[in-house]
Amino acid sequence: EVQLVESGGGLVQPGRSLRLSCAASGFTFDDYAMHWVRQAPGKGLEWVSGISWNSGSIGYADSVKGRFTISRDSAKNSLYLQMNSLRAEDTALYYCAKVAAARTVYNWFDPWGQGTLVTVSS
Amino acid sequence: DIQMTQSPSSLSASVGDRVTITCRASQGISNYLAWFQQKPGKAPKSLIYAASSFQSGVPSKFSGSGSGTDFTLTITSLQPEDFATYYCQQYYSYPMTFGQGTRLEIK
Repeated sequence: EVQLVESGGGLVQPGRSLRLSCAASGFTFDDYAMHWVRQAPGKGLEWVSGISWNSGSIGYADSVKGRFTISRDSAKNSLYLQMNSLRAEDTALYYCAKVAAARTVYNWFDPWGQGTLVTVSS
Repeated sequence: DIQMTQSPSSLSASVGDRVTITCRASQGISNYLAWFQQKPGKAPKSLIYAASSFQSGVPSKFSGSGSGTDFTLTITSLQPEDFATYYCQQYYSYPMTFGQGTRLEIK
């Protein structure tokens, strides 16, 4: 069974940094692109960033470009999101998601993790 | 960036009804469109991919159609468990984008 477990969320002051992790199991991590999607309280879904299976293709939402960095570690079967210069508007539940098909960049998301909450406030 | 416009933003319907949600892309995305269902406090769940293909385990009451810029999600014979929020998403190019969501409520 595929499992995605996010961690690293918490309360952080504006301007500070936080690193989110997503531990993956139940599939060959090296074969699948991965994504981060966030959802502010009471709001809709916002795609944040994605990374291909070999880290050769990476994308960011305009709202986080230059502040967030996505990466992956095949030895640890983990996906990361380094978030710098955090703002109040980054407050959200952050989900990681696996794409459905192996070795494709542009593919739908299935499944999703349960999310980790990031709150940016002084 | 490709903008995804979903309508309506909310919809009130009764058990047994058939409803249709539309999603329009600001430029052509072929069939690189997915639909998700989200219930309160839960992660989104994939329903439809490639505009009209069923995700495994999803009942046939959910169907998708469209290509290019205009897409629809139709749900037939609404049951209480279908009342949720639905999102479309394009995965044609970065940045990938979601529609703003359609909240389906019981009348």
